[in-house]
Amino acid sequence: AAGVIQSPRHLIKEKRETATLKCYPIPRHDTVYWYQQGPGQDPQFLISFYEKMQSDKGSIPDRFSAQQFSDYHSELNMSSLELGDSALYFCASSLGGTGRTEAFFGQGTRLTVV
Amino acid sequence: AQKVTQAQTEISVVEKEDVTLDCVYETRDTTYYLFWYKQPPSGELVFLIRRNSFDEQNEISGRYSWNFQKSTSSFNFTITASQVVDSAVYFCALTENSGYSTLTFGKGTMLLVSP
Repeated sequence: AAGVIQSPRHLIKEKRETATLKCYPIPRHDTVYWYQQGPGQDPQFLISFYEKMQSDKGSIPDRFSAQQFSDYHSELNMSSLELGDSALYFCASSLGGTGRTEAFFGQGTRLTVV
Repeated sequence: AQKVTQAQTEISVVEKEDVTLDCVYETRDTTYYLFWYKQPPSGELVFLIRRNSFDEQNEISGRYSWNFQKSTSSFNFTITASQVVDSAVYFCALTENSGYSTLTFGKGTMLLVSP
């Protein structure tokens, strides 16, 4: 079965650079979530989209932005990167919201800022 | 506000032992959903189970079983006859029913199963 695809899997950037992470949800899933997981931490919710509109917002820095496109894929744009942004970034998708169906996670993008 | 507490940060067992991972949650909603996810050393988050607040039946799936008790706000996870491949971080998570609620995770429990 098709899963959530994230690219790239690994990314190394320097401080103050920008990064773009991509997420391709499971076909027919209409909701995409982004989570950030620091080393040894639990995943923290950043932002979500339902039917291409932002549906919820968590602890996403102003330096980050995201959108969901007409084909339902999503991109997380990160600017002015800081060392503290080094983390595993997960995208998850679901149908109609996690309350009604489970969210399936991609394999994550490991971002290292040096 | 919703909250998930996994008091056990790390558990070490020997293969074939049974092990229970504890999860206690807080929510003001009467309708909510509880989840367990497994994160092996490779890093991905693997969905294990979803349970809604109206279904208190215990569930068994192979060597895995879950005990949901609303009276104590707990959703514990037991692995029977543990195997080395069970070594991972296990997260309990909660979402409320309002809107497009997102997952609130506990801090996770690292399970180490040695041969």
